[in-house]
Amino acid sequence: DVKVTQSSRYLVKRTGEKVFLECVQDMDHENMFWYRQDPGLGLRLIYFSYDVKMKEKGDIPEGYSVSREKKERFSLILESASTNQTSMYLCASSKWTGQGAGEQFFGPGTRLTVL
Amino acid sequence: GEDVEQSLFLSVREGDSSVINCTYTDSSSTYLYWYKQEPGAGLQLLTYIFSNMDMKQDQRLTVLLNKKDKHLSLRIADTQTGDSAIYFCASRIKAAGNKLTFGGGTRVLVKP
Repeated sequence: DVKVTQSSRYLVKRTGEKVFLECVQDMDHENMFWYRQDPGLGLRLIYFSYDVKMKEKGDIPEGYSVSREKKERFSLILESASTNQTSMYLCASSKWTGQGAGEQFFGPGTRLTVL
Repeated sequence: GEDVEQSLFLSVREGDSSVINCTYTDSSSTYLYWYKQEPGAGLQLLTYIFSNMDMKQDQRLTVLLNKKDKHLSLRIADTQTGDSAIYFCASRIKAAGNKLTFGGGTRVLVKP
């Protein structure tokens, strides 16, 4: 079974703090993704990575950065948290799409509240 | 870019069939997916269909794809209370490589 884990289920931070969200997958997937989910807006892609040390911006990268030092781990960093970054953050991983359907497998999510 | 649309809400009686609909805009979609999200959880992949197929069945789930109308549906037979969740459809197009485009989700409420 594919397993994607996220470091926290719930997180409360203060405005201006630096926040790290960690994601680990155990299926040797090449691709990893960070999304945020907000009511009425569905899932929006923040950043993704298709290899170690590689990253690409998604649809809403402003205010975020990412790090992928190891294949199994993808970190999302909020450099200076703001209240409008209060959201559910979802991590996902997938195999390289040349090898099949490219379905993404999701972690349980981290609900972040910025006060 | 690709745009994926779903209706917001569906109410169904336990034991009936549910049909969740999705439309997409890009005819170069290669794979289309259905995910389920239970309260407070991540997304769980239910099934997917390759664009050269019209139908795929997996136990209580039937996926229908109408490429001409760019319409995807998920039918759940004998709907149970445990099927209450948000259902997302997603599309992968060649030009987007590894990325998926998700619809806004359909909240399904199953009434006893």
